[in-house]
Amino acid sequence: SQQGEEDPQALSIQEGENATMNCSYKTSINNLQWYRQNSGRGLVHLILIRSNEREKHSGRLRVTLDTSKKSSSLLITASRAADTASYFCATAPAGSGGGADGLTFGKGTHLIIQP
Amino acid sequence: GAGVSQSPSNKVTEKGKDVELRCDPISGHTALYWYRQSLGQGLEFLIYFQGNSAPDKSGLPSDRFSAERTGGSVSTLTIQRTQQEDSAVYLCASSLYVGARGYTFGSGTRLTVV
Repeated sequence: SQQGEEDPQALSIQEGENATMNCSYKTSINNLQWYRQNSGRGLVHLILIRSNEREKHSGRLRVTLDTSKKSSSLLITASRAADTASYFCATAPAGSGGGADGLTFGKGTHLIIQP
Repeated sequence: GAGVSQSPSNKVTEKGKDVELRCDPISGHTALYWYRQSLGQGLEFLIYFQGNSAPDKSGLPSDRFSAERTGGSVSTLTIQRTQQEDSAVYLCASSLYVGARGYTFGSGTRLTVV
């Protein structure tokens, strides 16, 4: 498996439910980032969590990071139809400046929120 | 070319001056994206092109920012009347088509407005 691999590949839930996506990685990181991509659009940055942080919140988003397991999760609470998109995690390797040219993206989780 | 090429790699400009940033995507990649990254932050999406067309310009921070792409290849991002808050690394990425996975990023242009 590659660095920054999301699980599941696709997820379909009812509006109002919580959605949880997971990301696993292999090497030491400086930070881990979650991005959203709506169909045919560019990546939109959601949240960044540093290697010394364990949990971070932003609105309806909650991200956890477990560096011992080399994994992260993204929780979207009270999902809405507008949350339908692909979600990617990206890792910046330890020792890097966190620049985008050093980011490794996973293949993403496609989330579908059914009204 | 083999990768995404951006120029200049570094640019220091005086407040109020205009700057032009250039991106040369991978040959054959029809989708091109511009992002901005401030120190220690994630990528901020600015604009994307499918061919020469930019369907949505709402990600541009202000009307001082504009972008164009000609010939389905090279793109330029222009910032007029630069402000200090424009200081950031401006990154370009390309992919085979819009929505294709597998972005290739350039190494960016570090813009410093003094």
